[in-house]
Amino acid sequence: AQKITQTQPGMFVQEKEAVTLDCTYDTSDPSYGLFWYKQPSSGEMIFLIYQGSYDQQNATEGRYSLNFQKARKSANLVISASQLGDSAMYFCAMREGWSGAQKLVFGQGTRLTINP
Amino acid sequence: NAGVTQTPKFRVLKTGQSMTLLCAQDMNHEYMYWYRQDPGMGLRLIHYSVGEGTTAKGEVPDGYNVSRLKKQNFLLGLESAAPSQTSVYFCASSYSGSSSGANVLTFGAGSRLTVL
Repeated sequence: AQKITQTQPGMFVQEKEAVTLDCTYDTSDPSYGLFWYKQPSSGEMIFLIYQGSYDQQNATEGRYSLNFQKARKSANLVISASQLGDSAMYFCAMREGWSGAQKLVFGQGTRLTINP
Repeated sequence: NAGVTQTPKFRVLKTGQSMTLLCAQDMNHEYMYWYRQDPGMGLRLIHYSVGEGTTAKGEVPDGYNVSRLKKQNFLLGLESAAPSQTSVYFCASSYSGSSSGANVLTFGAGSRLTVL
C-alpha cells in the first residue's frame, strides 16, 4: 500500500502567490515524522521542514509552513510569497517509529513551476 | 566542511560489469543510507547502516551489497549490473540522537549510473 501520496504531478503558480503542495500518508504507528525535501534541477536534496506526530503546533521555517491535519492524515506544504527560485521538485517523506535509522518513505513528488 | 561526498558522479556500465559507489561523510554521523531515484518516483531505500560494521536491507536491496568498514564511509556495490539498475543513487547520513524524531538526513549530490 502507498504510504505517502502526492496527488499533484505538476503545479504552475505565479510569482509572489502562495502555493500548497498536497501530501497524504498512511501509517498505524502513533509515532512518526513527516519531512519535506526540495530537489532543484541541479539534483541535490534539500531539507525544508519537519513535523513530528506529537507536535501540537504546525511547523514553520521562514516562508515554509506545514499544514498538519492528523485526523485526515495530511501534511501539506505551504510556500508563501513564491519566488522563481522555488521552481523544483518537492518530495514529502515519512519515517515510522521514533528511534533507530531514518528509513524514510518518499512520495512521487510534485514539480512546482513558478511563472514570472 | 564537505558534508556527504559521493564518487563517482557519473558512470556508464555494460550489463554484467561490477562497480562500487563510495560515500564519505565528515559529520561523525552514526547512520548512513543508500537510496535510488528513478524517473517519476521518489527515493527508495536500498540499504542502510546504523554503525561501523553493521548493515541492513531497505525496501529494494536485491542486486546490491554494502559495507561499512569505517564510520565515515559507506560503500554500495553492484556485482553484476543490470539495465534495471540504471538510476540516480543518493547517499545520506544522519545523527541518532534527536528525541523528537527529527534526525534530518543530509544527502550527497547523487551518482548517475547508466547500465547498457
